[in-house]
Order: sequence, then structure tokens, then C-alpha cells
Amino acid sequence: DVKVTQSSRYLVKRTGEKVFLECVQDMDHENMFWYRQDPGLGLRLIYFSYDVKMKEKGDIPEGYSVSREKKERFSLILESASTNQTSMYLCASSSPQGGETQYFGPGTRLLVL
Amino acid sequence: GDSVTQMEGPVTLSEEAFLTINCTYTATGYPSLFWYVQYPGEGLQLLLKATKADDKGSNKGFEATYRKETTSFHLEKGSVQVSDSAVYFCALIQQGGSEKLVFGKGTKLTVNP
Repeated sequence: DVKVTQSSRYLVKRTGEKVFLECVQDMDHENMFWYRQDPGLGLRLIYFSYDVKMKEKGDIPEGYSVSREKKERFSLILESASTNQTSMYLCASSSPQGGETQYFGPGTRLLVL
Repeated sequence: GDSVTQMEGPVTLSEEAFLTINCTYTATGYPSLFWYVQYPGEGLQLLLKATKADDKGSNKGFEATYRKETTSFHLEKGSVQVSDSAVYFCALIQQGGSEKLVFGKGTKLTVNP
């Protein structure tokens, strides 16, 4: 079974803090993604990566950055957390050989106070 | 750009009722189409998919048919169960291009006993 794990299920941070969300997948997938999920807006793509050290902006990259130093790990960084970044964050991975299916982690619910 | 529109919820049904969740898309070319499901407190998981026109995806009693002429991929189940209560997302991905999924906003289904 493909497994995508995220470092925290729940996180509470203060405005202005630097926040790291970690995602690890165990299936040697080339592609990794970060989404945020908000009620009434569905899932929106923040950043994605096709390979180690590669990254591309998604639809809402402002206020976020990412890091992919190893193939299995994709980190989302909130440089200076703001209250409007309170959300559910979902990580996913996929392989070009995997029929386009993305496999999701359980999500991190982030509250910024 | 590509987009997915699905019926707004929430949808509330009694057990054993028939379910339809409408999904239409706008895309250039011939995308692959997906239904993902998110059970309470969990990440998304693939429910079914179809990669070309007239394909029918099916899983766990759910079905959806890729209709190119109406650009639709409606989800159906003949007899829902309480355990089907979840949020359902329709999504597309462009074949041969970016690996990015484009999601609808999600439809919350509640099934009462």
C-alpha cells in the first residue's frame, strides 16, 4: 500500500511564526503536491514538485515556499504565518507510471492565532 | 483554463436511496476524470476514474461514465449506506501534460439510517 504521512494532524501557531509542514511518501513517487482545503473552495494547489530540488508554483503560492531535498520528502514552509493561512493542508504524491492517481496524506489542520 | 463544476451540497439521503452527484468539466483536449472521496477526519482517496470517452469507472457500488458529448462525469450509486457519508470530489487531469489535478469544490453527502 502506498503510504503518505504528514508530520502533524493538528498544529496551532501564532501570527508571524515560521511553520514547517512535512510530508513523506514511501513509494518512490516522482511527483509531490501540497494543497490547502477550505470550506466552499475545495482543494487548491499551492506548490508541486516533479523531482528532487524541483518545484513549481500552483494556483495560490503566495505566502508559502517548499523544499524537496530528498525524493521521499516534500516540505511546505509558511515563512511568516498569518491568520488567513488557517486551513487544512493536504499532501499528495503520484508517479507518471501510476496512471495519474494521486495518493493523499491524512492532512494537517493548522490554526494560526 | 480547465475547471470542474459539481453540484453543491450538502446532500442528505436515507439509507438505500439512489445517489447522483453531478459533475461537469471544461477542458481542452481529452482529460482523465476522477472521483475522490474524503471520509471524516481523513485525507482523500481515489474512488474511481475514467481515462477516455465512454469509459465507465466503478468501485464499491459507485459508477461514473465519461461523457464527452456532455462533458460530464456524474457519480451514481443505486443504494447508499450510512458508511458512504463523506465528501466527494470530482477532478480532472490533462493527459500527456501537467500532472496537476483540477478539483471541483466537493459535495458533502450524509446518509441517515
